[in-house]
Amino acid sequence: AQSVTQPDIHITVSEGASLELRCNYSYGATPYLFWYVQSPGQGLQLLLKYFSGDTLVQGIKGFEAEFKRSQSSFNLRKPSVHWSDAAEYFCAVGPFGGAQKLVFGQGTRLTINP
Amino acid sequence: EAQVTQNPRYLITVTGKKLTVTCSQNMNHEYMSWYRQDPGLGLRQIYYSMNVEVTDKGDVPEGYKVSRKEKRNFPLILESPSPNQTSLYFCASIARESYEQYFGPGTRLTVT
Repeated sequence: AQSVTQPDIHITVSEGASLELRCNYSYGATPYLFWYVQSPGQGLQLLLKYFSGDTLVQGIKGFEAEFKRSQSSFNLRKPSVHWSDAAEYFCAVGPFGGAQKLVFGQGTRLTINP
Repeated sequence: EAQVTQNPRYLITVTGKKLTVTCSQNMNHEYMSWYRQDPGLGLRQIYYSMNVEVTDKGDVPEGYKVSRKEKRNFPLILESPSPNQTSLYFCASIARESYEQYFGPGTRLTVT
């Protein structure tokens, strides 16, 4: 069965520091991969997605992610975080079947220190 | 502007009192879906719809119903809510050509 693991439940970084959020997936074929961000009290917003081609994908708000097939990973990065990046981040794989279901990781909550 | 709206945004209710959470999208998408979000579990699919009058169960459908009488609307119905349905609920509208899912702002439901 498909699954997504985000090993870090909570990460704290200082404003201006670099960020990497980890995501590992389990799926037999080449997956479609997504990163979503959920700001407090808001819905989920798509940051970026990977379908095929270049394994380094650029997204909105200065984020990027790299697909590594050998490691079954799709880690999210940002070179310099801003206080407004404080949010919860979800990695997802899919969509699957007629349900068009996305399988989500547990989420990583990001706190920014001033 | 592409939009998914949900109402209400917050709801506190009591066990057994029927409620409906509405969801509407303005993108003419055929596919729509409901998820619930619980701490440590991410989002899990409750029900989905592939078109008007076509709905099916997701991973956690127990205690929920849905209907799809119009393309733009996909309400979630809890006929007899229980405390274990206390959660944050998201409606999603799905663009099949791009595989993108557009999420509503969420409905935080508390059942006492």
